Amino acid sequence: EIVLTQSPATLSLSPGERATLSCRASQSVASYLAWYQQRPGQAPRLLIYDASNRATGVPARFSGSGSGTDFTLTISSLDSEDFAVYYCQQRSDWPLTFGGGTKVEIK
Amino acid sequence: EVQLLESGGGLVQPGGSLRLSCATSGFSFSSYSMTWVRQAPGKGLEWVSALSGTGSGTYYADSVKGRFTISRDNSKNMLYLEMNSLRAEDTAVYYCAKNMRSSSSSCDYWGQGTLVTVSS
Repeated sequence: EIVLTQSPATLSLSPGERATLSCRASQSVASYLAWYQQRPGQAPRLLIYDASNRATGVPARFSGSGSGTDFTLTISSLDSEDFAVYYCQQRSDWPLTFGGGTKVEIK
Repeated sequence: EVQLLESGGGLVQPGGSLRLSCATSGFSFSSYSMTWVRQAPGKGLEWVSALSGTGSGTYYADSVKGRFTISRDNSKNMLYLEMNSLRAEDTAVYYCAKNMRSSSSSCDYWGQGTLVTVSS
């Protein structure tokens, strides 16, 4: 199965700062990668699909890039509601897999 | 408004069975694939199973293959997950989710989850 490795595990930043999250795949997933946000006690929320497409209603400060094995989620200026855990997921091959997550916490 | 509501979770003994249900509304249910994802306490997300809109295509994680069965009733807008031979490691919150298109596509709507606890 395709293993997704997210880094860093934890990112400590202040509101207004830029966040850069990484997801690396064990083999190419082309552009078939999504990013989800999960706030404490809530269900996951789709942010980005197919590497760079923002889902409906997602603010423009969220952007995704990459292809093949290396992907990045960027939050241009952190809002208080953005402190959460972020997961990447590949849909290139079965079984679908998630990365281990990156927690973005308030510094 | 798209809504997904899971039910059927609870405490079950190892080796036991449980059936999860997901009631849906607000979209053309039969036109979309559906997915189950789980999350063990304090852990990350784990994809469990997916099912095509017609019900003809089913996909499972290796960890549940042969023990779990995904199904749907398009006349009732319902998704199910039949879980047999449950193990302690199946303890998790189970989410149902709507796929954007095919069974492998991203999940754009999620329920709030139902907790399954496998323990003696």
